[in-house]
Amino acid sequence: KAGVTQTPRYLIKTRGQQVTLSCSPISGHRSVSWYQQTPGQGLQFLFEYFSETQRNKGNFPGRFSGRQFSNSRSEMNVSTLELGDSALYLCASSPGTHFMNTEAFFGQGTRLTVV
Amino acid sequence: KQEVTQIPAALSVPEGENLVLNCSFTDSAIYNLQWFRQDPGKGLTSLLLIQSSQREQTSGRLNASLDKSSGRSTLYIAASQPGDSATYLCAVTIFSGGYNKLIFGAGTRLAVHP
Repeated sequence: KAGVTQTPRYLIKTRGQQVTLSCSPISGHRSVSWYQQTPGQGLQFLFEYFSETQRNKGNFPGRFSGRQFSNSRSEMNVSTLELGDSALYLCASSPGTHFMNTEAFFGQGTRLTVV
Repeated sequence: KQEVTQIPAALSVPEGENLVLNCSFTDSAIYNLQWFRQDPGKGLTSLLLIQSSQREQTSGRLNASLDKSSGRSTLYIAASQPGDSATYLCAVTIFSGGYNKLIFGAGTRLAVHP
């Protein structure tokens, strides 16, 4: 059974640009969550998608957005990049169909560097 | 507001030692608690999941316990090996805004030296 796949693994962008990250969840999983990890703030929740709908959102500015497709694949977009957006972006998938069935499986992450 | 704290922040031990990592959370209204391992620059690997109704889970040399009423969990690693060197994170699943989400601790950075 394939795990969670995130692409690309590494990305270097310039301030002001925008970026799109992709996450393919484990087959059969309908919930995809995104997290930002930085040395200073640790792991912070960005948002969660389930069946193409955003169910939950963390405290991030509107420059951070996402979407989920009918095959459960998800993309995250960051517009007008700032230096502080440099981080490891992690995607997690879970079955998401019941509150007891929430074990999260993470991808390898996308390392974004903004210069 | 749920907060998760992990102690110690860093730990360095000789190979073969048994060790305990601690995780505490402020609100006992959790669905489950998960322990993860993270190698430098990599994603998170799920180690153990304890449902709120359970007291402990075991996998190989790892044993995790949960005391929901006191807001504590411990991860016990037996006979540590250099390959265990990594950052260990605990996370609780809470009900927020109508749905579940994970709240993470800052992690314990473990170094096991030969």
